[in-house]
Amino acid sequence: DIQMTQSPSSLSASVGDRVTISCRASQDIRSSLAWFQHKPGKAPKLLLFAASRLEDGVPSRFSGGTSGTDYTLTLSSLQPEDFATYFCQQYYSRPWTFGQGTKVEIK
Amino acid sequence: QVKLVQSGPEVKKPGASVKVSCETSGYVFTSYGISWMRQAPGQGLEWLGWVSAYNGNTKYAQRLQDRVSMTTDTSTNTVHMELRSLKSDDTAVYYCARETMTYYMDAWGQGTTVTVSS
Repeated sequence: DIQMTQSPSSLSASVGDRVTISCRASQDIRSSLAWFQHKPGKAPKLLLFAASRLEDGVPSRFSGGTSGTDYTLTLSSLQPEDFATYFCQQYYSRPWTFGQGTKVEIK
Repeated sequence: QVKLVQSGPEVKKPGASVKVSCETSGYVFTSYGISWMRQAPGQGLEWLGWVSAYNGNTKYAQRLQDRVSMTTDTSTNTVHMELRSLKSDDTAVYYCARETMTYYMDAWGQGTTVTVSS
């Protein structure tokens, strides 16, 4: 199985801050990576797929990057509605596997 | 719009079975597959398997394949996931998600809490 190592597990930030979350795949997944936002009691929401393609309706302050087997999610200017848990998921090879999640909290 | 609405919480005893439903709407049901995931308390998400709404083909996670079944009902656009021989470590929130033709999951259900306790 492909392991997805996500960091950090949590972070505190202020409105307007730039935030970066990382996921490292244990092998090449050829950008078959999605990022999700998850708020308690709600359905997870797709933000990006194919590592850097923004899902329809997702604000452009969200962006994704790639360097080898390292993937990043960047929020350019944190908004109040962005405080949530974020997780990555590879869909290159079944079983699909997920990062452990990053909880973004208000500083 | 695309919606996946899951059935309500379940409490089961060890050894019992549970069936969780995922009712879909807002798209052509047979054009997409559905994956199921779960998240145990304090743990990350675990993929359980996938079912094609087109022909009912399935792919299951190896560690669960003896205990899990996923089926579709095209008359109600609903997908069902049954887990048998429940153990306490099956306690988790279970999610369904629509899987696109390029395999990423673009819409999720709200989650169903399954508690296994004697």
